[in-house]
Amino acid sequence: AQSVTQLDSQVPVFEEAPVELRCNYSSSVSVYLFWYVQYPNQGLQLLLKYLSGSTLVKGINGFEAEFNKSQTSFHLRKPSVHISDTAEYFCAVSATAGNNRKLIWGLGTSLAVNP
Amino acid sequence: NAGVMQNPRHLVRRRGQEARLRCSPMKGHSHVYWYRQLPEEGLKFMVYLQKENIIDESGMPKERFSAEFPKEGPSILRIQQVVRGDSAAYFCASSPRSDPLFDEQFFGPGTRLTVL
Repeated sequence: AQSVTQLDSQVPVFEEAPVELRCNYSSSVSVYLFWYVQYPNQGLQLLLKYLSGSTLVKGINGFEAEFNKSQTSFHLRKPSVHISDTAEYFCAVSATAGNNRKLIWGLGTSLAVNP
Repeated sequence: NAGVMQNPRHLVRRRGQEARLRCSPMKGHSHVYWYRQLPEEGLKFMVYLQKENIIDESGMPKERFSAEFPKEGPSILRIQQVVRGDSAAYFCASSPRSDPLFDEQFFGPGTRLTVL
């Protein structure tokens, strides 16, 4: 069965500093990976996804993630964060159940960007 | 094009009452997903519906919870005889097709249920 582990529940960082949010997954089959962001009091929004091809995926708002099959990781990075990046970030992996695919979610990482 | 709408945004119920949560998907989307978000458990899949059909309800508690997505109108998540443990944020997402690989799930702002 697929599972997702987000290694850090909270990440404090200063504005304009780089950040990496870690995500590891377990799966016995090919995986498809996603990062979503949840701003305060809002729903989740897709940041980026890896389906196939280049292991470096670029998303919205300057975020990118790298798929590392040998380390079963899909870490999210941004070279310089802004106050507005303060949010909850969720990593997810697709799972197949019968004829349906659904997303299995990590517990989330709370990114707090301080001035 | 309006996004996914959920109402109410906040709902307070006393133990034993019923909670009805509504979700209007984006225009043209016929697939709806309900998730529950608890502080210590993250986001959990509850149920996946298409118009007039429940496709996957493997994440729904066996008792007191039900969901529907009628031909006309919003999808409804219904919780009967609520208990304090039902307090959570409930999110609805919609997509034009069923495959999350190729069709992004668009999330609503959620309904925050508080059971007193």
